[in-house]
Amino acid sequence: DSGVTQTPKHLITATGQRVTLRCSPRSGDLSVYWYQQSLDQGLQFLIQYYNGEERAKGNILERFSAQQFPDLHSELNLSSLELGDSALYFCASSPSTGSYEQYFGPGTRLTVT
Amino acid sequence: ELKVEQNPLFLSMQEGKNYTIYCNYSTTSDRLYWYRQDPGKSLESLFVLLSNGAVKQEGRLMASLDTKARLSTLHITAAVHDLSATYFCAVGTIGGSQGNLIFGKGTKLSVKP
Repeated sequence: DSGVTQTPKHLITATGQRVTLRCSPRSGDLSVYWYQQSLDQGLQFLIQYYNGEERAKGNILERFSAQQFPDLHSELNLSSLELGDSALYFCASSPSTGSYEQYFGPGTRLTVT
Repeated sequence: ELKVEQNPLFLSMQEGKNYTIYCNYSTTSDRLYWYRQDPGKSLESLFVLLSNGAVKQEGRLMASLDTKARLSTLHITAAVHDLSATYFCAVGTIGGSQGNLIFGKGTKLSVKP
């Protein structure tokens, strides 16, 4: 158990809908990262937040957005969902200084039908 | 653009044999990660390599890094069935953010009796 929690574990929804994925980082970690894992694209970095501010952006679609709240939990919002958005979405967190480790949560499996 | 290539992508081994997974990356990096993923599960951190010539070992797995050749290897010694999983290498980008991990496609390892 990495200490990173994600909810929900599974999500099934229809095309065109909007969903929110939630992540709580390890206690004390200020950085949160979102990754998408799909059969087509593999593991892709989406976005990083550090202490509430966006720090880095990867291959994140305009239909997707994220934020990190004052209590450091983060949410990834996916809208106008398409079949191709079906994937495993991971959140990871890392300590603010010193360590380069990223600790991954259990993931949310999103199925768009 | 940083690219990470792993080979082989599929590896079927017999128990007791040795083998090496290779990870090449295209531009300078200061961090190299190895992760393990069991089917439907999260990513488990195995090693983080931070300097040229770094070597780390845990049980039957040993990872090394050659930053000049932009190559990391994951060596498996006397494989056992429990090592069956998918192994990913990931490379971190230089400077600033601790984010932006770029992953290889993964090596699916199957160890047979």
